[in-house]
Amino acid sequence: EAQVTQNPRYLITVTGKKLTVTCSQNMNHEYMSWYRQDPGLGLRQIYYSMNVEVTDKGDVPEGYKVSRKEKRNFPLILESPSPNQTSLYFCASRTGASQPQHFGDGTRLSIL
Amino acid sequence: DAKTTQPPSMDCAEGRAANLPCNHSTISGNEYVYWYRQIHSQGPQYIIHGLKNNETNEMASLIITEDRKSSTLILPHATLRDTAVYYCIVSRRSYNTDKLIFGTGTRLQVFP
Repeated sequence: EAQVTQNPRYLITVTGKKLTVTCSQNMNHEYMSWYRQDPGLGLRQIYYSMNVEVTDKGDVPEGYKVSRKEKRNFPLILESPSPNQTSLYFCASRTGASQPQHFGDGTRLSIL
Repeated sequence: DAKTTQPPSMDCAEGRAANLPCNHSTISGNEYVYWYRQIHSQGPQYIIHGLKNNETNEMASLIITEDRKSSTLILPHATLRDTAVYYCIVSRRSYNTDKLIFGTGTRLQVFP
């Protein structure tokens, strides 16, 4: 089954403790993105990648890092999480420039 | 990318057609119109997209005005399961960027 898989689905952690949210897609898609969703603000793009070793900032990249060492994986790294990064996070992928994005089921992060 | 404007909420009776409008008056010639929906806090689900012609698939129809400044998503026979937030997004086909900007969408409530 074609899908985008995120892990973990839920995480409660403390300020400053590094964490990684993994994202994997099995559709051989070139493009991958990370979004965060906060009440009243809709989805905002954090980072995106158009191919292996090619990443670029979205609209809210501060406090996040990403890497794209393999086509299928696009992890989101929070080196020193802070409470303002408490949010619902989505990973997405798509095959080409005009094709629709496929979203994962989301990761709910709570930073205390 | 062009900005979109959608009504914050709409109601629709079950079995009737739901017509969701979107204004994108600053759209440029190479920008596509995409529609997604999000049920509760699940990952957004792709519905349909188009460039300038009207489009139809098994889920919905997309009507784009001739000047492309607005569009309408039509769910021909709304069901209770169509209750969701619907997002209209305009994005250019580009091989140099994968930026997508989500607005706050239209919350569609389908009632019995």
